[in-house]
Amino acid sequence: DADVTQTPRNRITKTGKRIMLECSQTKGHDRMYWYRQDPGLGLRLIYYSFDVKDINKGEISDGYSVSRQAQAKFSLSLESAIPNQTALYFCATSDSGGVYGYTFGSGTRLTVV
Amino acid sequence: QKEVEQNSGPLSVPEGAIASLNCTYSDRGSQSFFWYRQYSGKSPELIMFIYSNGDKEDGRFTAQLNKASQYVSLLIRDSQPSDSATYLCAVNKGNAGNMLTFGGGTRLMVKP
Repeated sequence: DADVTQTPRNRITKTGKRIMLECSQTKGHDRMYWYRQDPGLGLRLIYYSFDVKDINKGEISDGYSVSRQAQAKFSLSLESAIPNQTALYFCATSDSGGVYGYTFGSGTRLTVV
Repeated sequence: QKEVEQNSGPLSVPEGAIASLNCTYSDRGSQSFFWYRQYSGKSPELIMFIYSNGDKEDGRFTAQLNKASQYVSLLIRDSQPSDSATYLCAVNKGNAGNMLTFGGGTRLMVKP
């Protein structure tokens, strides 16, 4: 099994729908992150969590919310999806020291029509 | 000025050649540096990390760090078509909770 698992892998949804992307990890890491990637724009940080009780906004949090249900689980929600949220979404984890960088999940390709 | 800068490319090299990918960073206090490879539509995967000035080799890959000049590079020897991907440079500035700042990536194309 993968160290960082994202579900679903692909999703097509309609404008205005609520959608949740899920991430779980077996790395035992405290820290978890959500990024989106658009062609030509690189990785952009949406939200991050340093532990279960610590949630922080990233550079592009508008239109998104998150929930850290447990050390191993971090979910990203789009409350009312819009077409410009069509992107590739990645979850990542790291230890607190950042010694070994981030481990990324396989990604979720989200299309909002 | 972006915190971590990379030439977006594409960098095109012939098979068997050395590919040289460069990254500059703005925070002089940055402590550790990472190179990720990302195939189209796939997730970034860690290739190497480097903390100290100088070279670090791992197989066909060599990371080079020069803190005085604030650049880090990745050399890929004997480039193969399977090396064609986008290479992301990431920097841990040591503050902001040891979070990574990513560059925009350089697209590498290795032509047979």
